[in-house]
Amino acid sequence: AQSVTQLDSHVSVSEGTPVLLRCNYSSSYSPSLFWYVQHPNKGLQLLLKYTSAATLVKGINGFEAEFKKSETSFHLTKPSAHMSDAAEYFCVVSGGNFNKFYFGSGTKLNVKP
Amino acid sequence: ETGVTQSPTHLIKTRGQQVTLRCSSQSGHNTVSWYQQALGQGPQFIFQYYREEENGRGNFPPRFSGLQFPNYSSELNVNALELDDSALYLCASSLGFEAYNEQFFGPGTRLTVL
Repeated sequence: AQSVTQLDSHVSVSEGTPVLLRCNYSSSYSPSLFWYVQHPNKGLQLLLKYTSAATLVKGINGFEAEFKKSETSFHLTKPSAHMSDAAEYFCVVSGGNFNKFYFGSGTKLNVKP
Repeated sequence: ETGVTQSPTHLIKTRGQQVTLRCSSQSGHNTVSWYQQALGQGPQFIFQYYREEENGRGNFPPRFSGLQFPNYSSELNVNALELDDSALYLCASSLGFEAYNEQFFGPGTRLTVL
């Protein structure tokens, strides 16, 4: 069975400060993990993915995530938040025979000026 | 390169009616997945099509059905609409169905059932 838990439903940071969005996963397989961002009235956009190569994954717009198997975590970070980062972020796990995506419940990121 | 497109953008139906949602996959992508995103929740997997065959299904009743065409575009059909079917329906395409394949999402169709 596969599942994702996003530990915070809302995160609020000030512009220029670091961002940490937390994700824990459960998977019966060697997982593939993804982070997607959803801006209001826009489609889901891929930020980054982990597929059993390097454990530290760099994505678009300065985001990165680290795969920690021992902690079953895949937290998303960014050193310095920008106003345009305000959106909802989804952690996704995939595994097994096909890419059925299991989404977390999402974390809404608010960036204060 | 054209991304994933969906039509219509919005739709209002009444309980008991039937609806068809359409999706055009990204150029070259042979796999289409459909998801339902209820308000305030993460998307839930409905089913996936690979080269015109259903490749996997989530926990949705049989009144949710689909098709994939030779050009890899796809339809989602929902019969006997219920109020709880009100949601954003997302289509995603990928180049293959392996677990590591990223999915490219369309903007969604917002369905409201009254």
